[in-house]
Amino acid sequence: KQEVTQIPAALSVPEGENLVLNCSFTDSAIYNLQWFRQDPGKGLTSLLLIQSSQREQTSGRLNASLDKSSGRSTLYIAASQPGDSATYLCAVRTDSWGKFQFGAGTQVVVTP
Amino acid sequence: DTAVSQTPKYLVTQMGNDKSIKCEQNLGHDTMYWYKQDSKKFLKIMFSYNNKELIINETVPNRFSPKSPDKAHLNLHINSLELGDSAVYFCASSQDRGGVTYNEQFFGPGTRLTVL
Repeated sequence: KQEVTQIPAALSVPEGENLVLNCSFTDSAIYNLQWFRQDPGKGLTSLLLIQSSQREQTSGRLNASLDKSSGRSTLYIAASQPGDSATYLCAVRTDSWGKFQFGAGTQVVVTP
Repeated sequence: DTAVSQTPKYLVTQMGNDKSIKCEQNLGHDTMYWYKQDSKKFLKIMFSYNNKELIINETVPNRFSPKSPDKAHLNLHINSLELGDSAVYFCASSQDRGGVTYNEQFFGPGTRLTVL
C-alpha cells in the first residue's frame, strides 16, 4: 500500500529565504505527483503537476523535482514571501482510475 | 468563473439526520472525486466518478452515497449522520483524456460538516 510522508510537519523561515519541502512515497509505481497549497479554511490550490516520466516542473518561483527510483519529490520555493505561508501537500496518483494518496502536509510560516 | 463549486460551505446538523452536499464543475472534466479531510488535516479519497460511472469506492460506510446525474455534477448524500462524520468534505475534478495522460486535480472550497 502506498504511503506518502512529508517531513517536516512544520517549518518557519524568515522572508527571503528559500523553502525546501520534501515528499516521500513508498511505491515508485506512480502515475504522477501533484503539489498543492492549502490556506486555512480554504480548498486546495494546485501548484505543480509532475508526470511519472518527468524529472521536474517549474512555475515562477516554484520548482518541483521527482525521483521515482528513490521515492522522493522536493518542492523548492525561491525567495519566500509572507504570502507563501500555508500548508503544502503532495499527492501521488497510484492508478489509472484516479486514486490519489496524500501526504499529511508541511505547514509553512514565512516571517517578515 | 471556471471552477469547482460546492454547496453548502458550512453544514451543522444533529446526529441521526440525513444531509446532502452538492458539487459542480464547469471545467469540462470527465472525472470527479469526493475527499474527506479529518481533524488532523489528512485528506482521504472516498469516491471517484468517470463520466457518471463509479470508479473508486474506498472503504466508506454505506451511509455515504454519491450520485452523479451528469459528468459536471457529483453529489454526496449522508444518511444517519454520526459524530465521527464531522470533517471537511472536498470535491475535486480532473480530465483524464482517455487514460493517455493524467492531468491535475482541481479542488472545490470544501464543505465543513459539523455533527452535534
